[in-house]
Amino acid sequence: GDSVTQMEGPVTLSEEAFLTINCTYTATGYPSLFWYVQYPGEGLQLLLKATKADDKGSNKGFEATYRKETTSFHLEKGSVQVSDSAVYFCALSENTDKLIFGTGTRLQVFP
Amino acid sequence: NAGVTQTPKFQVLKTGQSMTLQCAQDMNHEYMSWYRQDPGMGLRLIHYSVGAGITDQGEVPNGYNVSRSTTEDFPLRLLSAAPSQTSVYFCASRSTGGIRFGFFGQGTRLTVV
Repeated sequence: GDSVTQMEGPVTLSEEAFLTINCTYTATGYPSLFWYVQYPGEGLQLLLKATKADDKGSNKGFEATYRKETTSFHLEKGSVQVSDSAVYFCALSENTDKLIFGTGTRLQVFP
Repeated sequence: NAGVTQTPKFQVLKTGQSMTLQCAQDMNHEYMSWYRQDPGMGLRLIHYSVGAGITDQGEVPNGYNVSRSTTEDFPLRLLSAAPSQTSVYFCASRSTGGIRFGFFGQGTRLTVV
């Protein structure tokens, strides 16, 4: 079945460092891909999404490109801030009512 | 707009008790769903609904019931709480023409002792 695999955390970075959180997926069709962020004590917020191959989703300085050839959707940010500390979830949907999440990657950014 | 509202935010139950987690949305979304979030397992789908009067099971439905009598509300019922149901529960909604899976509630942290 469909699945999402994320790199294990925590990812610990200094402020202004470059961030990459790896995400790969397995799907039978052509899914839409998502990144969600969960700040401490809060619910999930949609960060960005891409609906077809080679699409690039971007928001708040974060980017991810839908790579069909490598079945990947890695999250990147050029310069992280302390306020980016959160748990990040990669997810996919085969355009149905089900959303399949990865296990989440905790990001800790220190000043 | 309030978006997706979940109540309560925190709850402690004793084994065998029953309770209902409430979820309401004011965006006239057709689709609503419930997930549970457990450490190291991400989010798993419990039940979902594509419209009033229609519900279906997700990945982990055992021990939970849902109903969808109105477009706005999608309550999740725990029939006889077990410690294995200790988790954080999220409700989500979407419309057919809007951002798919763009809206989640703030979550309900449930502890069963």
